[in-house]
Amino acid sequence: QQPVQSPQAVILREGEDAVINCSSSKALYSVHWYRQKHGEAPVFLMILLKGGEQKGHDKISASFNEKKQQSSLYLTASQLSYSGTYFCGTADNNAGNMLTFGGGTRLMVKP
Amino acid sequence: GAGVSQSPSNKVTEKGKDVELRCDPISGHTALYWYRQSLGQGLEFLIYFQGNSAPDKSGLPSDRFSAERTGGSVSTLTIQRTQQEDSAVYLCASSLSRTSGRAYNEQFFGPGTRLTVL
Repeated sequence: QQPVQSPQAVILREGEDAVINCSSSKALYSVHWYRQKHGEAPVFLMILLKGGEQKGHDKISASFNEKKQQSSLYLTASQLSYSGTYFCGTADNNAGNMLTFGGGTRLMVKP
Repeated sequence: GAGVSQSPSNKVTEKGKDVELRCDPISGHTALYWYRQSLGQGLEFLIYFQGNSAPDKSGLPSDRFSAERTGGSVSTLTIQRTQQEDSAVYLCASSLSRTSGRAYNEQFFGPGTRLTVL
């Protein structure tokens, strides 16, 4: 079943912070985050494995709460280059590489 | 190094015609995936190939859709008797298989093929 992302869309001013959530109805083994800019292919950001691991990538970090079956992506001091659609992909086992992607969160950062 | 490539980049076809979409994965990547993305929507999984194993076809929306992967490398997605609802961007991705010490490997996406069925 597809994970649910929230919010569906968010508009920020440059320098503001944002949080994007990804929730699943199933127990998760891992959560992957991707960003897709308009007209381009999705690009990998980070993977989080069960264990409550928190990862970071520049000013973008994420957490994974396996008990709540959810992950959150934190964008700090947003830059214009952060604009795009963010997708979470989830896996409920460690048997392979297959992911189920959420519907995406459209982020627009304005000057 | 070369990334995932897809061809054609755009395809316009008439309803009822068959189309073939091609994907060249990154060299050495044994896992290959096809997704469909309708306008403003998320990534809909279609099919997954892993090495020489039987593909996971659980995401194919109908029997008009099929895919093959020759020699463990290039893959072709075929849509027979296309319908207008097939119009979408078809994305291909590849990844390494699970390797020791890494539970998962990131997927690298190609630029996609935009299919328009008139």
